[in-house]
Amino acid sequence: NAGVTQTPKFRVLKTGQSMTLLCAQDMNHEYMYWYRQDPGMGLRLIHYSVGEGTTAKGEVPDGYNVSRLKKQNFLLGLESAAPSQTSVYFCASSYGSYNEQFFGPGTRLTVL
Amino acid sequence: TQLLEQSPQFLSIQEGENLTVYCNSSSVFSSLQWYRQEPGEGPVLLVTVVTGGEVKKLKRLTFQFGDARKDSSLHITAAQPGDTGLYLCAGGGYGQNFVFGPGTRLSVLP
Repeated sequence: NAGVTQTPKFRVLKTGQSMTLLCAQDMNHEYMYWYRQDPGMGLRLIHYSVGEGTTAKGEVPDGYNVSRLKKQNFLLGLESAAPSQTSVYFCASSYGSYNEQFFGPGTRLTVL
Repeated sequence: TQLLEQSPQFLSIQEGENLTVYCNSSSVFSSLQWYRQEPGEGPVLLVTVVTGGEVKKLKRLTFQFGDARKDSSLHITAAQPGDTGLYLCAGGGYGQNFVFGPGTRLSVLP
């Protein structure tokens, strides 16, 4: 099993450009999450999904959109990137909201 | 919004020393998790505690959940260089997603 995988691993964008981060899990988990991690601030929840076809806002959703068309995939989109979105992005999945979260290796995004 | 604080923010110790890191909140959590994150990787779960006053041991690591379910501690005995990493606590509220603390960055020097 690959667990949780993220694509790409690194990306550099210019302000105003758009991109999509892909997360895939092979554990048949219902719940999937997107977090951003900034120095000294821990992990902050951007959006999450409790099942295929459903999404919900987390703590810091502004400037991001998500889609969960297939149970195993969770996409995070940036429509118009801003320097404030420079961060490391982690995807995670779990069986339920109280269960262990399994994290991907992260995507390091720099917006110039 | 439920907030978690962790202390200390940074800790550098010699191999063989003992240490304790703390996770505190003004909110009550139904469960609390501890994760360890190594550079360039995602966090990995160490333990979940769900009962007030609960103590769990994982080899040289001892985790405690406060009686009031607002705080937790992680004690490491005889630290080793392999314990180096970022330790994150995450609190799960009733019907809410887990909230992560900012982490304690531990460095164990050989």
